[in-house]
Amino acid sequence: DIQMTQSPSSLSASVGDRVTITCRASQGISNDLAWFQQKPGKAPKSLIYAASSLHSGVPSRFSGSGSGTDFTLTISSLQPEDCATYYCQQYNSYPLTFGGGTKVEIK
Amino acid sequence: EVQLLESGEGLVQPGGSLRLSCAASGFIFSRYAMGWVRQAPGKGLEWISAISGSGSSTFYADSVKGRFTISRDNSKNTLHLQMSSLRAEDTAIYYCAKDADFWSGHYVGWGQGTLVTVSS
Repeated sequence: DIQMTQSPSSLSASVGDRVTITCRASQGISNDLAWFQQKPGKAPKSLIYAASSLHSGVPSRFSGSGSGTDFTLTISSLQPEDCATYYCQQYNSYPLTFGGGTKVEIK
Repeated sequence: EVQLLESGEGLVQPGGSLRLSCAASGFIFSRYAMGWVRQAPGKGLEWISAISGSGSSTFYADSVKGRFTISRDNSKNTLHLQMSSLRAEDTAIYYCAKDADFWSGHYVGWGQGTLVTVSS
C-alpha cells in the first residue's frame, strides 16, 4: 500500500500569509494526487487534481505542485474562510490512500 | 448538478449488519465508478471501497475486506454498501463519492455522509 504523509499536522497563520502544506508518498505516484478541503461537519470538497489542476470554482489563491513522491498545496494569501482541514489523496493505485490531514487555523 | 444522498444511518450492535445506500442524480450514473470513504469521529478520511461503472470490478480496503460488500443498481442510480460483522472501529460517518471518470480513483462529488455507530 502507498502511504501518504502530510506535514504539518496543524498550523496557525495570519490572514494574508502564504501557507504551504506538504504531502509525501511512500513510492512514486506520478501526478495522481488530489487535495481536498474539509470544514467541520461538512463533506470533503475537491480542490486540486492531477497534482496541480484546479477544480472549477476553486479560488486561484490555491495551487498545487509536485510529481513522483513530493507534493505541495499552497494558499498564496490565507483568508478566514480557508480555516479547514486539508487532505491529500493518491489515486495511482488501490487501495486509495489519504494523508493524515493538516488543520489550518487563523492566528 | 451532481447530487449524492446517503441513507441507512443507524446504531447497531457489534457483530451486526447494516446496509447503506446512496441515491445519485445529475449525471449518467452508469458511466462513473463510485466509492465509499469513511471518517471515524475526530479522525481523518479512510477510503474503504470502490466499484466500476458497470459493477464488474470492485476493490476493498483490508480493514473491511470480507465483511463489507459494495454494489450498485444502475437502473435505479443507487450505490449500496452492505456491512456485516460490524466492529466498534467501524463507527464513522460514511460518505459515498463519485469518481471523476470511468475508473480514476479521483473523487469529485461527495454525499453529505451518514453516521454508523457500532455499540452495545
